[in-house]
Amino acid sequence: ETGVTQTPRHLVMGMTNKKSLKCEQHLGHNAMYWYKQSAKKPLELMFVYNFKEQTENNSVPSRFSPECPNSSHLFLHLHTLQPEDSALYLCASSQVVGEEWNTEAFFGQGTRLTVV
Amino acid sequence: AQTVTQSQPEMSVQEAETVTLSCTYDTSENNYYLFWYKQPPSRQMILVIRQEAYKQQNATENRFSVNFQKAAKSFSLKISDSQLGDTAMYFCAFMKSSNNNDMRFGAGTRLTVKP
Repeated sequence: ETGVTQTPRHLVMGMTNKKSLKCEQHLGHNAMYWYKQSAKKPLELMFVYNFKEQTENNSVPSRFSPECPNSSHLFLHLHTLQPEDSALYLCASSQVVGEEWNTEAFFGQGTRLTVV
Repeated sequence: AQTVTQSQPEMSVQEAETVTLSCTYDTSENNYYLFWYKQPPSRQMILVIRQEAYKQQNATENRFSVNFQKAAKSFSLKISDSQLGDTAMYFCAFMKSSNNNDMRFGAGTRLTVKP
């Protein structure tokens, strides 16, 4: 247990479904991230939230919609996904202190998403 | 943009022996952080070791050590006395020290420790 919890662990959804992934961190961090991990590809940074404000959106399709209601919770809302969106979605958190210091990222166990 | 390259998709090592995983990166930054993460079959990404670019001394954590060559932009991980529990995917990662929160990962190396 690293202090970052993701639910559900596994999710199978149809292309017309709407679902949400949840991430909760118990580390008191002020930054949270969504990463996509596909087979044989580097982890892709999707979204970054600093102090609840989105600071990065790496050209992610609009069918992925993040939400960060507070510094401890992060959601990824999914709508009309494609089969190629099937992947492991990892949530992470870190502590940003000033402009030039950041702790390493602490990861959850991920949600294995399959789009059928 | 920063890129991280791990040229070894898969490696294997006999238990108790030493193995070195390679990582190179490309950046124009002078200050940054480098990391090695381990992802076992449980999928949990776990930090193995961290290196600040301004530090010349190579980081070590028990059986894990790095060879950080800043001029060559190389950051290899050495695992000594390999154990069966070291079997996992290993990811090299880069993060700028300014305007950070953008941690870039390599594609990973799958390490198998054989009994």
